[in-house]
Amino acid sequence: SYVLTQPPSVSVAPGKTARITCGGNNIGSKSVHWYQQKPGQAPVLVIYYDSDRPSGIPERFSGSNSGNTATLTISRVEAGDEADYYCQVWDSSSDHREVFGGGTKLTVL
Amino acid sequence: EVQLVESGGGLVQPGRSLRLSCTASGFTFGDYAMSWVRQAPGKGLEWVGFIRSKAYGGTTEYAASVKGRFTISRDDSKSIAYLQMNSLKTEDTAVYYCTRYSCGGDCDSYYFDYWGQGTLVTVSS
Repeated sequence: SYVLTQPPSVSVAPGKTARITCGGNNIGSKSVHWYQQKPGQAPVLVIYYDSDRPSGIPERFSGSNSGNTATLTISRVEAGDEADYYCQVWDSSSDHREVFGGGTKLTVL
Repeated sequence: EVQLVESGGGLVQPGRSLRLSCTASGFTFGDYAMSWVRQAPGKGLEWVGFIRSKAYGGTTEYAASVKGRFTISRDDSKSIAYLQMNSLKTEDTAVYYCTRYSCGGDCDSYYFDYWGQGTLVTVSS
């Protein structure tokens, strides 16, 4: 089955840029979606189709995808961005049609 | 405003059954596929399965971990999606989220654009 690999944690100072990676075999050939989950809350879609933002998501959130790595970039990080972030792809080659990465805990220092 | 409200969670013994409901509002329910995603305590997200809209046959797909035990259905007249869980195991303990399952363009990939607040299912003797 297809595996998505995320770093367990990323730390960043307020006002700086955070980059959260999602690794997978030739992931650049797939569409990647990203979710933010704050403690005790349901996940929220923040990026879909690699780089599209749903309405209501700040422009500070952006995404890219190429080769074996997709990246979620958060510019001008705020304290309120502290959360777990998950990447997701649809994999037609296995029973696990929807695959999530293990999640990355973003800590704002 | 899109809203998804899950219900039906609780404590259940191993081997027993439970049915979760997801009541939707704020969009034309019958036009969308719906999916269930779960999250074990302190763990990451795991896709459970989805049901297509009637326009696409209303068929279902499931993760290997629940195939043959879980069944997703829908009642478009009531805007409700269901997750019937049979032969429950302790490892099925999780918060279960109902999600709207959407795609764009050529629909070569789907994403979960709206989520309910989740309902906790605890499987324990």
